[in-house]
Amino acid sequence: EPEVTQTPSHQVTQMGQEVILRCVPISNHLYFYWYRQILGQKVEFLVSFYNNEISEKSEIFDDQFSVERPDGSNFTLKIRSTKLEDSAMYFCASSGTPDYNSPLHFGNGTRLTVT
Amino acid sequence: DQQVKQNSPSLSVQEGRISILNCDYTNSMFDYFLWYKKYPAEGPTFLISISSIKDKNEDGRFTVFLNKSAKHLSLHIVPSQPGDSAVYFCAASAYGNTGKLIFGQGTTLQVKP
Repeated sequence: EPEVTQTPSHQVTQMGQEVILRCVPISNHLYFYWYRQILGQKVEFLVSFYNNEISEKSEIFDDQFSVERPDGSNFTLKIRSTKLEDSAMYFCASSGTPDYNSPLHFGNGTRLTVT
Repeated sequence: DQQVKQNSPSLSVQEGRISILNCDYTNSMFDYFLWYKKYPAEGPTFLISISSIKDKNEDGRFTVFLNKSAKHLSLHIVPSQPGDSAVYFCAASAYGNTGKLIFGQGTTLQVKP
């Protein structure tokens, strides 16, 4: 079964550094998402992306965050200047269509640790 | 943000018996509900969904029930198997925006052999 692939599985960075989290969505999917889960908290929506544009973003997704689809297969999340509170599990997801017949498929996540 | 609540942090069930996981929501605009299962070091895996026009959806051993008047949904697993041991998340979306999911905090299910 096709799956969403995320790299790296674990990223350690120092506060203030830039990080890029990478995702390869399922190949025929057109809608892409980032979610995150801070330890002990709920999984929460960050951003949705379609047709090379952000469709919607949460209040968490401030100017420090950006997303990009640099080529036909990758989807990235960049955090420009990491803060301690950015430490979390970041999940990429994709879907074929934005309707009831196409639930989100999630990757295994990247654990980001900011020291 | 308490729009989706799973009040039981954990549940333990004997193999072969029924597991019932519960979820409550507060936003009456939610029109799509899903259950995801998550193993350690993996991402959430889609299990089953239901739209607000239905009150039941079944897929093999998994059945989701939706009670709109009570703003409550439940996931039934029959019969439960040890491989079902995982964290189960309830999620919901509103206004047909099926990509923006609001998650509950999860219930850890342990199925004992």
